[in-house]
Amino acid sequence: DTGVSQDPRHKITKRGQNVTFRCDPISEHNRLYWYRQTLGQGPEFLTYFQNEAQLEKSRLLSDRFSAERPKGSFSTLEIQRTEQGDSAMYLCASSLGVTGDSNEQFFGPGTRLTVL
Amino acid sequence: AQTVTQSQPEMSVQEAETVTLSCTYDTSENNYYLFWYKQPPSRQMILVIRQEAYKQQNATENRFSVNFQKAAKSFSLKISDSQLGDTAMYFCAFLYNFNKFYFGSGTKLNVKP
Repeated sequence: DTGVSQDPRHKITKRGQNVTFRCDPISEHNRLYWYRQTLGQGPEFLTYFQNEAQLEKSRLLSDRFSAERPKGSFSTLEIQRTEQGDSAMYLCASSLGVTGDSNEQFFGPGTRLTVL
Repeated sequence: AQTVTQSQPEMSVQEAETVTLSCTYDTSENNYYLFWYKQPPSRQMILVIRQEAYKQQNATENRFSVNFQKAAKSFSLKISDSQLGDTAMYFCAFLYNFNKFYFGSGTKLNVKP
């Protein structure tokens, strides 16, 4: 296991279409996070999972967004009826835990979404 | 609400010199973690250094060290002997309630040969 992977790396879609992104965390990591990063900004928290349980969602995550982590391993982030404002880099990160050395978040390469 | 502010959008430093990146944060919490992450161009974010708020000793990792001033809510990153490979975006991050990370807007560091 070489790190967090995300698929696809790039996605171009037309406004109104649905898109789904996948994240595969480091295998033993319990925590999985989704962030959105727009150009020139830092990542903004969207949601996170502890194993398969989604514990918190940001208000940035509108009803058009849904995330799952069905077996506590990989996660998917779906955006329905995409809008141009959804264009951003979507980052996934995972961590072993939340305290001490275990709270280091390991980031994936991101999925860059462009909504035309 | 927790906020993280990086007031230097862009900085430059000559190779082998020292540079300090600033970060301030606002919180009413007493127990938290602070991080500096590095995002090289078109590459993944990686952890540079981490500081636990209850530890008074400033963290160091080789050429990287922090100046953590809890009362002032300041967390600056010093890079000594800058190398070309240090060219990247640097993000200061705050871990609140062991759940949520808040990131600053980043500082673009350019190391010149």
